[in-house]
Amino acid sequence: DTAVSQTPKYLVTQMGNDKSIKCEQNLGHDTMYWYKQDSKKFLKIMFSYNNKELIINETVPNRFSPKSPDKAHLNLHINSLELGDSAVYFCASSQNPRLAGETQYFGPGTRLLVL
Amino acid sequence: GDSVTQMEGPVTLSEEAFLTINCTYTATGYPSLFWYVQYPGEGLQLLLKATKADDKGSNKGFEATYRKETTSFHLEKGSVQVSDSAVYFCAFTGANSKLTFGKGITLSVRP
Repeated sequence: DTAVSQTPKYLVTQMGNDKSIKCEQNLGHDTMYWYKQDSKKFLKIMFSYNNKELIINETVPNRFSPKSPDKAHLNLHINSLELGDSAVYFCASSQNPRLAGETQYFGPGTRLLVL
Repeated sequence: GDSVTQMEGPVTLSEEAFLTINCTYTATGYPSLFWYVQYPGEGLQLLLKATKADDKGSNKGFEATYRKETTSFHLEKGSVQVSDSAVYFCAFTGANSKLTFGKGITLSVRP
């Protein structure tokens, strides 16, 4: 059983299109995250939700909009895709990020290529 | 601001060689420290962690000790295997509970 799953695994699309990436966790966690990993493998947090409420919103273009229909799902919608959006997007979850040593569990990633 | 500095890579070693990957951090308060590993084509997974000064995290033969005086959390393994080839990320969670990553370092182990 996959703990954190993402769909699709690969996404190739044209500039200007709108696309969504879905994430689901079956760990019963309250907090979910989206990270972006660039071509040099650098990871940066984009958003975090706790029980469907946005708690972290880094400096991300407003073309990116997270949506959490329930605490087990956190989807990422991207409008007007640009070449620079090409990256690997990782979803993650944890139970309580305020606890010392709290582990985050990552999904397998979605490889987005904008042409 | 908060940051993690990892040694520059990539690193290539022969099987059974000794591994050290340096990591230092800049954070306020008392962060929890982590090493995450990313195997080819996969997501990140926790390798080990430590939550207070002088704690040692260990897993799969890897070790790292939380050194508050030098703000470091260096990763070591006495004898690497080909299967250890991956990207290794040092990270911490600070007062804002946000996980901050280093740039990652690619390790290649040749037979």
